[in-house]
Amino acid sequence: QSALTQPPSASGSPGQSVTISCTGTSNDVGGYNYVSWYRQHPGKAPELIIYEVSKRPSGVPDRFSGSKSGNTASLTVSGLQAEDEADYYCSSSAGSNNLVFGTGTKVTVL
Amino acid sequence: EVQLVESGGGWVQPGGSLRLSCEASGFTFSGYRMTWVRQAPGKGLEWVASVEEHGGDKSYVDSVKGRFTISRDNAANSLSLQMNSLRPEDTAVYYCGRGLTRIDYWGQGTLVTVSS
Repeated sequence: QSALTQPPSASGSPGQSVTISCTGTSNDVGGYNYVSWYRQHPGKAPELIIYEVSKRPSGVPDRFSGSKSGNTASLTVSGLQAEDEADYYCSSSAGSNNLVFGTGTKVTVL
Repeated sequence: EVQLVESGGGWVQPGGSLRLSCEASGFTFSGYRMTWVRQAPGKGLEWVASVEEHGGDKSYVDSVKGRFTISRDNAANSLSLQMNSLRPEDTAVYYCGRGLTRIDYWGQGTLVTVSS
C-alpha cells in the first residue's frame, strides 16, 4: 500500500496547459482502470474531477482530461484558470477493495 | 442535494479512543459503498477504510487494521469509524466519502488530534 508517485509541483500561465503524472505499479494503476483525480483547494474537501481514467463527472469542464499508459496515469488541465491553483491527487484501486492515493501535486497558476 | 456531515472529532491522548460519525442525506445511502479518508496536517490524502453497501465487506489500510472499525447503519443513513489505540500519527482531518474508486461526494471533515 505505497502511495502513488506524483511530482510535488507544477505550474503554468493562464491559458496554458499543465500535465501531472501519477506513477504506480502493475498492482494498482497498471492493473485497473479505476484511476481518479481530485482537486483540493486550501482548507476544503477534495472534489472529483476525473474517474475511471478519463471520465468527467457532470459539471466538470472538458478542460480536464485524463489518460493512462502502463503504470502511469496523467491529468491534463488545459486553458489554466486562476481557480485551478490547488492541490491535485490521483487515486487508484489496489485490488480487494483497497485504494491508494498519490502523493499530491501543487499546481500554481503564474 | 447530497450531503455528508462528519462529527465526533476532537482531542484524545495516545492510547485513547474516538468514534466518528457521518450522517448522509440526499441519496439512497444503502446503494453506495462508503469510505473514510484522512489527511494529516500539511500532508496528502490517505485512504483509511471502506465498507460495502450492506455492511458486510470491510477493508482497511494496513496501518489501522486491528485498531479501527468501520460500520454503517443503513436505517439511520449513518457511517461510523470506531478508532481505538490511537497514536499521534493518527492526527488528521477525517473525511467520509461516497464511493471508493470514485468518491464523488465528500464531507467537510472532522479533525482528530492525538497528543499528550
